[in-house]
Amino acid sequence: GAVVSQHPSWVICKSGTSVKIECRSLDFQATTMFWYRQFPKQSLMLMATSNEGSKATYEQGVEKDKFLINHASLTLSTLTVTSAHPEDSSFYICSARGSGRAYNEQFFGPGTRLTVL
Amino acid sequence: AQRVTQPEKLLSVFKGAPVELKCNYSYSGSPELFWYVQYSRQRLQLLLRHISRESIKGFTADLNKGETSFHLKKPFAQEEDSAMYYCALVGTSGTYKYIFGTGTRLKVLA
Repeated sequence: GAVVSQHPSWVICKSGTSVKIECRSLDFQATTMFWYRQFPKQSLMLMATSNEGSKATYEQGVEKDKFLINHASLTLSTLTVTSAHPEDSSFYICSARGSGRAYNEQFFGPGTRLTVL
Repeated sequence: AQRVTQPEKLLSVFKGAPVELKCNYSYSGSPELFWYVQYSRQRLQLLLRHISRESIKGFTADLNKGETSFHLKKPFAQEEDSAMYYCALVGTSGTYKYIFGTGTRLKVLA
């Protein structure tokens, strides 16, 4: 149990286009989802926290108009990278935390590799 | 400041040797500490949490509040333990956010 999926697993896009990444909790209700960015051989950097039905809370330095997060249901959150540029190329990982589960445990998705040409 | 420090980027040990991956934290309160592992081309998965005081795959970790440490230990390393290990902290602010350390790559040599 406690599986989190991400789609797509990888995406290549042209500079200036927008890309949407989906994060789904498959067998539990995710009251909170987190979006991370991971650069090669570096740790995860938290971008934002989203709670179902409310606006996401962004970490300092993360542009909310650039990285749009929607958490419309208890099983789905989306991250849209708007007007992507090559510097947005990275590995994006989501995680989910559910009520009724081990209180503070997060379950991680497999990640989405974004390459902006 | 809230921080998790993993001083070693890379740790290489021979198979059968003891392993200790260091983790120190800075937090004004009583955080919850975790170890996550990321095997090659796989997602992050929970290895240990301090409140469970469990042993998973032979690994243990004890929270030392005096030294603000949560080192991960295994008496006899196996080749399949080679992976990236992250120490993480969750505070008591109610946001449930993780603060990750920079990670330590463990290489177990045959």
